[in-house]
Amino acid sequence: EVQLVQSGAEVKKPGESLRISCMGSGYSFTGYWIAWVRQMPGKGLQCVGVIYPGDSGTTYSPSFQGRVTLSVDKSISTAYLQWGSLNASDTAIYYCARRYMNAFDLWGQGTVVSVSS
Amino acid sequence: QSALTQPASVSGSPGQSITISCTGTSSDIGSYNYVSWYQQHPGKAPKLMIYAVSNRPSGVSNRFSGSKSGNTASLTISGLQAEDEADYHCASYTSTSLYVFGPGTKVTVL
Repeated sequence: EVQLVQSGAEVKKPGESLRISCMGSGYSFTGYWIAWVRQMPGKGLQCVGVIYPGDSGTTYSPSFQGRVTLSVDKSISTAYLQWGSLNASDTAIYYCARRYMNAFDLWGQGTVVSVSS
Repeated sequence: QSALTQPASVSGSPGQSITISCTGTSSDIGSYNYVSWYQQHPGKAPKLMIYAVSNRPSGVSNRFSGSKSGNTASLTISGLQAEDEADYHCASYTSTSLYVFGPGTKVTVL
């Protein structure tokens, strides 16, 4: 089955670090860009950035540049989204999605990140 | 990059057709034929309904169609059904090589 499977929900305190994951299966993981998309509570979707697993090339949205890091481990077909220091405004659902024809045709189930003191 | 503009809500009766608009700028919708639309039911991940302005992925009903004129794209749902009640998000490729989304439109089937 072609799918993206994300890691489970996280509850963190402000200032803590976090890495969430997205594992692809059923397709050539290194052949498609992966995007990370944020959805804050009750809000629309925002593109965090994109990464190409083939060579780890990345592009970050200006709103997220410097606050998050995208990475990939090709050997286990897994992409990561990482924060060095969380704050309350990072509370959201984060989706990974596979890019196809400049659209996103395959989505992970989402990872809920809650940041609260 | 500013978000695209969508109406907050659109409603229609079963069997009717509705159209959702999505307005951008010359840096996104106006310059690229890479507008996509996503359906999102509550508590679920988004699902691709339309890509490259007017193309349907395999398995998506032909009741869904997309178009574009200038800086505005549109999604039309014909023969509205109860299962179409969901949020719909538009997105566009941009001149910064990234993607911008709209705020989403809630579709209600009366």
